Amino acid sequence: GDSVTQMEGPVTLSEEAFLTINCTYTATGYPSLFWYVQYPGEGLQLLLKATKADDKGSNKGFEATYRKETTSFHLEKGSVQVSDSAVYFCALSDLGSQGNLIFGKGTKLSVKP
Amino acid sequence: DTAVSQTPKYLVTQMGNDKSIKCEQNLGHDTMYWYKQDSKKFLKIMFSYNNKELIINETVPNRFSPKSPDKAHLNLHINSLELGDSAVYFCASSHMGQGHGYTFGSGTRLTVV
Repeated sequence: GDSVTQMEGPVTLSEEAFLTINCTYTATGYPSLFWYVQYPGEGLQLLLKATKADDKGSNKGFEATYRKETTSFHLEKGSVQVSDSAVYFCALSDLGSQGNLIFGKGTKLSVKP
Repeated sequence: DTAVSQTPKYLVTQMGNDKSIKCEQNLGHDTMYWYKQDSKKFLKIMFSYNNKELIINETVPNRFSPKSPDKAHLNLHINSLELGDSAVYFCASSHMGQGHGYTFGSGTRLTVV
């Protein structure tokens, strides 16, 4: 069945460092891919998405490119801030999942001043 | 206006009790969901409802039952609560079909003592 694998956390970075959180997927069809962010004590918020191969999703300085050849959707940001500290979830939606979102296990990011 | 609202935010109850969590969305979405997030932040889908019909039901104990009085509401009823039910429960909504992101509520932290 469909699944999402993302790098284990926690990830601890200094402010202004470069961020990469790896995400790979397995899907029966051509999924749509998402990154969600969960700030402490809050629900999940959609950060960015891409619906077809080679699409790049971007928001708030974060970017991720849909790579069909490597079945990946890695999240990047050039310069993180303390306010980016949160848990990040990679997810997919596919006909094989009946359009429902399948989430990875989440990666906790802590950014130190 | 809150897009997806769920109540209560916190719920502490004794084993064996029956409780309900309410969810309402004002986005005009046609599908609503319940997710369970465990202590390790792992998200597992429990139910989804589309046009008042249950369309998926994962391996969830039958002590859990969703009730949808209309398209804008999906409540979660839990009978005979157990210690292992302690978790954060998130309601979400979306338009049906892949490619559509979900809008999440802020969560209900359930603690069974």
